[in-house]
Amino acid sequence: DQQVKQNSPSLSVQEGRISILNCDYTNSMFDYFLWYKKYPAEGPTFLISISSIKDKNEDGRFTVFLNKSAKHLSLHIVPSQPGDSAVYFCAYNGGATNKLIFGTGTLLAVQP
Amino acid sequence: DTGVSQNPRHKITKRGQNVTFRCDPISEHNRLYWYRQTLGQGPEFLTYFQNEAQLEKSRLLSDRFSAERPKGSFSTLEIQRTEQGDSAMYLCASSLDREGEKLFFGSGTQLSVL
Repeated sequence: DQQVKQNSPSLSVQEGRISILNCDYTNSMFDYFLWYKKYPAEGPTFLISISSIKDKNEDGRFTVFLNKSAKHLSLHIVPSQPGDSAVYFCAYNGGATNKLIFGTGTLLAVQP
Repeated sequence: DTGVSQNPRHKITKRGQNVTFRCDPISEHNRLYWYRQTLGQGPEFLTYFQNEAQLEKSRLLSDRFSAERPKGSFSTLEIQRTEQGDSAMYLCASSLDREGEKLFFGSGTQLSVL
């Protein structure tokens, strides 16, 4: 079974600087990875995704990089803003059902 | 509001009581998912519907849990004989009926079992 690991429970960054959130996975077979952002007492909100055939996907301030040889992906936020402060989840799309397997999340705090 | 709607937002119950949560997905979405999230963890998959058919259930879904989607529109999740370990945020999500589609989540129902 695919496992998704986010080894950094928290990250603190100054406003305007780059935030880098990391995610590791165990199984080389996958179709998509997605990043979600979650504020307290709300459901996760989709940010950006990447398919297995790409190395990079960019959407505004958000870029996801995929390193298949290292089984690692990262989310870059540039420039970071205080409103980006939230928990970020990496999620693996489990194939035909679109079922998501989530990591444990990283709490990002962007300091003004 | 055309997003995923969940009711109630909060539910406090005593151990041993039954509770039922409702989810209204985005209207054109055929796929519906239930997840559970506890503090410090990511959302954990519980079950998945395509239209009215329940196609997958996690082993987390004990026999005290039952989910339905009778007409392929809204869904209910019932927990019978609640236990303190059932305290969690219960999240519903929906997606279009295509591989690779993202899931849209509701705001969740926070269950506290006393």
